[in-house]
Amino acid sequence: DIQMTQSPSSLSASVGDTVTISCRASQGISLYLAWFQHKPGKAPKSLIYGASNLQSGVPPRFSGSGSGTHFILTITGLQPEDFATYYCQQYNIFPWTFGQGTKVEIK
Amino acid sequence: QVHLVQSGPEVKTPGASVNVSCKASGYTFKNYGVSWVRQAPGQGLEWMGWIRPDAGDTRFAQTFQGRVTLTADMSTATLYMEMRDLMLDDTAVYFCARSVLVGSTPPGYWGQGTLVTVSP
Repeated sequence: DIQMTQSPSSLSASVGDTVTISCRASQGISLYLAWFQHKPGKAPKSLIYGASNLQSGVPPRFSGSGSGTHFILTITGLQPEDFATYYCQQYNIFPWTFGQGTKVEIK
Repeated sequence: QVHLVQSGPEVKTPGASVNVSCKASGYTFKNYGVSWVRQAPGQGLEWMGWIRPDAGDTRFAQTFQGRVTLTADMSTATLYMEMRDLMLDDTAVYFCARSVLVGSTPPGYWGQGTLVTVSP
């Protein structure tokens, strides 16, 4: 199975900050990478697919980049509603696998 | 708009089976794959498996192979996840999620989640 490793596991940031989250795959996955936001007690929200394609309705302050084995999720101008846990997922090869998550907390 | 409505919470004893349903609406049911994902208390998201409704093609994480069955009822646009031989650490919230695009693509639309509690 492809292992997905996110860093950091958690971070503290303030409203207005720019935040970057890294996701590394144990083998090349081309652009088959998605990002999700998850808040406690809620369904996850899909943010990005194909490494950089924004899901419909997702604010443009969210962006994704990377290919192969290294990917980045950037949130430019953090908003109060963005404090959550973020997950990457590869869908290049079954079984699809998630990273362990990055919790974005308020500083 | 795309809507996925899951069945209600379940409480089961170890060794029992559970069947979670996911009623889809707002799109052409047969055209989109559906993933099942769970989150145990204090843990991250765990991908369980995927089904292509029109072909019945299914894929699973190794952890669930042989213990989980995914099916799709084309007549009612409803998906089902059956898990057998439940264990205490199967206690989790289970989500169905429709692929963002046609084909083998990641989740784009999510059900509200179903809490399954396994307790002696």
